[in-house]
Amino acid sequence: DAGITQSPRHKVTETGTPVTLRCHQTENHRYMYWYRQDPGHGLRLIHYSYGVKDTDKGEVSDGYSVSRSKTEDFLLTLESATSSQTSVYFCAISEEGGTYGYTFGSGTRLTVV
Amino acid sequence: AQSVTQLDSQVPVFEEAPVELRCNYSSSVSVYLFWYVQYPNQGLQLLLKYLSGSTLVKGINGFEAEFNKSQTSFHLRKPSVHISDTAEYFCAVIKTSYDKVIFGPGTSLSVIP
Repeated sequence: DAGITQSPRHKVTETGTPVTLRCHQTENHRYMYWYRQDPGHGLRLIHYSYGVKDTDKGEVSDGYSVSRSKTEDFLLTLESATSSQTSVYFCAISEEGGTYGYTFGSGTRLTVV
Repeated sequence: AQSVTQLDSQVPVFEEAPVELRCNYSSSVSVYLFWYVQYPNQGLQLLLKYLSGSTLVKGINGFEAEFNKSQTSFHLRKPSVHISDTAEYFCAVIKTSYDKVIFGPGTSLSVIP
């Protein structure tokens, strides 16, 4: 969707290195989310934000941190990448929580070798 | 705690045949319900949602879903599928508050020519 972009689209990194994924939105939505998608697990929430500098943990937050210094940007950082963090990462945005649905980005495929 | 069950992980169906993808949820409070579709190598896209009112909800691409409170179900249907409907379909639920969306594990729909 034009209102939300993720970068990079693909990344290969080595175990132990830090990695930052970026989510950028042009919709001025208050809520932003990071999910990971893995076969057999569906989508699992990593972290989310309900405003600038307001973030909270999801169900699989260990090993991840986030920052939101501007409404439009939500960064996900893997402090020290591990092979278990190989996954497809999706960012989503919503205007008023999840009540009216999310808009998803196209995803970032991360491979940790 | 809420949970979402999608009873079929894979559903093969012939082109122009009808299809039903099943979704059941568990919640002790009222909820909002959603279906999302994910085409290969893309993010999720909102297909339809139930917030209140009529229990039969119509969405994009000819899909519809029916909310059944007594059976805690929200099954997705289409009377005649096309090859282009081949995708992963996710049922999702959120409480009637600023809570986080819970996604089901997904159903892979394969339309056979």
